[in-house]
Amino acid sequence: SQQGEEDPQALSIQEGENATMNCSYKTSINNLQWYRQNSGRGLVHLILIRSNEREKHSGRLRVTLDTSKKSSSLLITASRAADTASYFCATAFNSGYSTLTFGKGTMLLVSP
Amino acid sequence: NAGVMQNPRHLVRRRGQEARLRCSPMKGHSHVYWYRQLPEEGLKFMVYLQKENIIDESGMPKERFSAEFPKEGPSILRIQQVVRGDSAAYFCASSPPGSGKETQYFGPGTRLLVL
Repeated sequence: SQQGEEDPQALSIQEGENATMNCSYKTSINNLQWYRQNSGRGLVHLILIRSNEREKHSGRLRVTLDTSKKSSSLLITASRAADTASYFCATAFNSGYSTLTFGKGTMLLVSP
Repeated sequence: NAGVMQNPRHLVRRRGQEARLRCSPMKGHSHVYWYRQLPEEGLKFMVYLQKENIIDESGMPKERFSAEFPKEGPSILRIQQVVRGDSAAYFCASSPPGSGKETQYFGPGTRLLVL
């Protein structure tokens, strides 16, 4: 069954607003990663958070991880039209080289 | 440093034909992963390879699908006798050695359409 499940499936906001996406997973993980996919393109790595970390920042991105609830959130602050894309969480069971298990993604639309 | 390269970007095949998808990892990367994405879905892991070795093929269908990553040249995902259900986007990713090995860098994908 799917390891990661994103919520909501789709999100529509105005430029300047914040966007929050959530991800839940079922089993223990080593790390959780967020990726962005523009329509018809490949995936771009955004941020990685390890199981012993609770929060991580990268520019306008803020990721939290709650291993007790098996959930993560991705916050994009001050959104821009260019942030329009699908966002996926992916979990890795092992440290080092590891296959990733992806959720179905959240489609974010940022209107000017 | 060029990113992960995949070709072709689009591939059309008739049922029963063979599809060959190529992936050249980033320079210096010797670990390659293949994923499949159906419309409106997330990516599903298929196979993980190092040079000349298949490390994990637990996501590969047992029949018609094979993958290789030879010592020289790109990684190849081969689908024999394609069926309509094979229509999907196939993505390749590679990982660097050292401390960044957990991050995967994805290619642009090959979109396979089976008529």
